[in-house]
Amino acid sequence: GAVVSQHPSRVICKSGTSVKIECRSLDFQATTMFWYRQFPKQSLMLMATSNEGSKATYEQGVEKDKFLINHASLTLSTLTVTSAHPEDSSFYICSARDYMGGRMNTEAFFGQGTRLTVV
Amino acid sequence: DAKTTQPPSMDCAEGRAANLPCNHSTISGNEYVYWYRQIHSQGPQYIIHGLKNNETNEMASLIITEDRKSSTLILPHATLRDTAVYYCIVRVATRNSGNTPLVFGKGTRLSVIA
Repeated sequence: GAVVSQHPSRVICKSGTSVKIECRSLDFQATTMFWYRQFPKQSLMLMATSNEGSKATYEQGVEKDKFLINHASLTLSTLTVTSAHPEDSSFYICSARDYMGGRMNTEAFFGQGTRLTVV
Repeated sequence: DAKTTQPPSMDCAEGRAANLPCNHSTISGNEYVYWYRQIHSQGPQYIIHGLKNNETNEMASLIITEDRKSSTLILPHATLRDTAVYYCIVRVATRNSGNTPLVFGKGTRLSVIA
């Protein structure tokens, strides 16, 4: 299956600093990628939809100025957590679908996730 | 997309078949049933999907009832590495479905016991 690579897998940062997480589709092009957040013992919660060449679409309650998303190419989307605080500590996961125009019911592929700890 | 209901947890003995149920009584005719799993501290992994016929691949089998209101994911010979949270997701498959995200419920936490 298609591969989505996420980097870094684990990061610890100081409160007030910014952290960038990269999501790459390695063997396919992704015009759309999705960013999720997962707190301990909870399910994945969608944060935003990242669209290549245009602004991201954020879910209700997710601050777009705090979680900056850039999707500058068909294989790379980045999520920057700005001015991170301990409550931003979470597991961040990206997803993309190997979507060829006109194909239906394609499965989504996920990155391995990034464990962010803000101290 | 239709809502799904899964038991919060299940245990299975190693080497036995694990049967994970999912109810999706409000599923509509153009909605597929997808199964993903998430091993601890990893991203979700695609397992299988189907519309109305039973499906089988190298990982699992998917049995969908005739009325499509429920389904069962079967791991034929569970191993310790199959311990994970299993998510049943129902979604419409359209030409634009690549641009819509998967919505995750709480899933079933399967524990495979030696």
